[in-house]
Amino acid sequence: ETGVTQTPRHLVMGMTNKKSLKCEQHLGHNAMYWYKQSAKKPLELMFVYSLEERVENNSVPSRFSPECPNSSHLFLHLHTLQPEDSALYLCASSSWGGWDEQFFGPGTRLTVL
Amino acid sequence: AQSVAQPEDQVNVAEGNPLTVKCTYSVSGNPYLFWYVQYPNRGLQFLLKYITGDNLVKGSYGFEAEFNKSQTSFHLKKPSALVSDSALYFCAVRDMTGGYNKLIFGAGTRLAVHP
Repeated sequence: ETGVTQTPRHLVMGMTNKKSLKCEQHLGHNAMYWYKQSAKKPLELMFVYSLEERVENNSVPSRFSPECPNSSHLFLHLHTLQPEDSALYLCASSSWGGWDEQFFGPGTRLTVL
Repeated sequence: AQSVAQPEDQVNVAEGNPLTVKCTYSVSGNPYLFWYVQYPNRGLQFLLKYITGDNLVKGSYGFEAEFNKSQTSFHLKKPSALVSDSALYFCAVRDMTGGYNKLIFGAGTRLAVHP
């Protein structure tokens, strides 16, 4: 997990709160990803950024708002979440368009009360 | 659309025995396949990948995978399982739909290695 860091590792929030998840990669990659991992469900790709431009939004509700200010940093802004949004949120990075694998961070365990 | 399937939710094996975790794929074009492992409360760690070349791919921690084009399979294997191999394993396929690189993951297989 070295190379991609995520903060916080755990987050508990109420449905009316606003919070942000942060991801940072030190690998020189130019693509970054947000995934949602819920119990007993496949990994869901939420957002893809290439060269700081969003290239895919997999019909994610607007209560999730991504931000990629530069190629090393990725944020996921959260507001008015629902209890079903409780999950492990994983960030990943990779080279764009190459054959390289994606490198994942340790994830943020989010609980929405 | 590209997809992978992991037909087993869980695989149980005794320590020291060989293990196999199954994955089948459906792709248009050449498949680019990956295996990842996830330990509790951790992110996914890359194990190995198949891009082209030898059908037997060697990866981290003594794991290997066999690419079989006729059976559209990419099974993960290890000759002798360790208790520490107990984890969640994901197969994935590269998808270039839309002109950009993303991975499509299977549902995962939980491997339990018993002493």
